[in-house]
Amino acid sequence: AQKVTQAQTEISVVEKEDVTLDCVYETRDTTYYLFWYKQPPSGELVFLIRRNSFDEQNEISGRYSWNFQKSTSSFNFTITASQVVDSAVYFCALSDLTGANSKLTFGKGITLSVRP
Amino acid sequence: DSGVTQTPKHLITATGQRVTLRCSPRSGDLSVYWYQQSLDQGLQFLIQYYNGEERAKGNILERFSAQQFPDLHSELNLSSLELGDSALYFCASSVWGGIGETQYFGPGTRLLVL
Repeated sequence: AQKVTQAQTEISVVEKEDVTLDCVYETRDTTYYLFWYKQPPSGELVFLIRRNSFDEQNEISGRYSWNFQKSTSSFNFTITASQVVDSAVYFCALSDLTGANSKLTFGKGITLSVRP
Repeated sequence: DSGVTQTPKHLITATGQRVTLRCSPRSGDLSVYWYQQSLDQGLQFLIQYYNGEERAKGNILERFSAQQFPDLHSELNLSSLELGDSALYFCASSVWGGIGETQYFGPGTRLLVL
């Protein structure tokens, strides 16, 4: 069955610190997709990144980077030099072929607080 | 701004009532998804439509129903409301509704059942 585990529930850092948000997933499929979404205090869900299971290259976008490791079924997200505006809940999600539908299975989310 | 719109933003109602939540997908997107976010269950998939047809069902209660209209907007109907239905309801859309497609989410409708 599909499952996404975000073991960290809350993280608090001081501005300019680096922070890594962990995501571990379970799936029986060899083809699957992983996502990260951000939910700021205003409540909307903002898409950050999509990665398919055949592309293990790490990705960097500005201060954000993602480390995908199939060997450990992890898709971790690092924010470098964190800023107060990064304070939000971050969700990791999985889409695979189980049930032949394209629903997203979300983790419980990690609440990140960045203090000035 | 994702391009997905949802109305209303907030809804307060009483137990036993019925409400309708509305969603307009991004321009060009044919598939619409509904998700429920609650404190105890987290973010859960409810139902998906593609071009007017139901494509997949998740943990949607029988008291809940949805449809997608010819202009591609979608409505989620919640009836016989209970206190436990209080949650944030999200609509998302994607182009084809295929596995692995990025889903873009609307701002959500916050429902409070008193």
